[in-house]
Amino acid sequence: GDSVTQMEGPVTLSEEAFLTINCTYTATGYPSLFWYVQYPGEGLQLLLKATKADDKGSNKGFEATYRKETTSFHLEKGSVQVSDSAVYFCALSDRGTNAGKSTFGDGTTLTVKP
Amino acid sequence: NAGVTQTPKFQVLKTGQSMTLQCAQDMNHNSMYWYRQDPGMGLRLIYYSASEGTTDKGEVPNGYNVSRLNKREFSLRLESAAPSQTSVYFCASTDDRTSGANVLTFGAGSRLTVL
Repeated sequence: GDSVTQMEGPVTLSEEAFLTINCTYTATGYPSLFWYVQYPGEGLQLLLKATKADDKGSNKGFEATYRKETTSFHLEKGSVQVSDSAVYFCALSDRGTNAGKSTFGDGTTLTVKP
Repeated sequence: NAGVTQTPKFQVLKTGQSMTLQCAQDMNHNSMYWYRQDPGMGLRLIYYSASEGTTDKGEVPNGYNVSRLNKREFSLRLESAAPSQTSVYFCASTDDRTSGANVLTFGAGSRLTVL
């Protein structure tokens, strides 16, 4: 079946540091890829997405590129802020029926210190 | 814009008690999902409903039942709670009748503790 493997956390960075959270996937088809973010005490919300190879998703200074050849979707941000402290989940979903059934990674907790 | 609303936010149960988690969405989505979130294990799908009147098992359905009451509402029932069901439960919905990436919209979560 499908699976998502994320870089283990927790990750602690100083403000304005560069962030990379690695994500690789295994899928039988040609999935869509997502990064969701969960702020303390809240549900998950979409951060960015990509639907085909070489697509770059971006939002709030975060970026991730769909790399089919390496089956990866690494999340990056050039300069993190304290407000970016959250749990980040990489996920994929198939394009067939019940395409909304998503497979999630285990989540990576990011703490940004002033 | 309410989105996905879950109740209750917090609940403490004793082993063997029953309870129902309620979920409602106001986005006219066809598909609804129940996930549980446990530390270090990401989100695991319990049950889902692709349309009104249909439900299917996900990855971890044992000990749970669901009802898709109408297009808006999807409830999760624990008939006889066990400590292993202590978790944070998330309801989510999406419209996957259209092509393209199917983004899930999540509720704020329900934290359940079974003693």
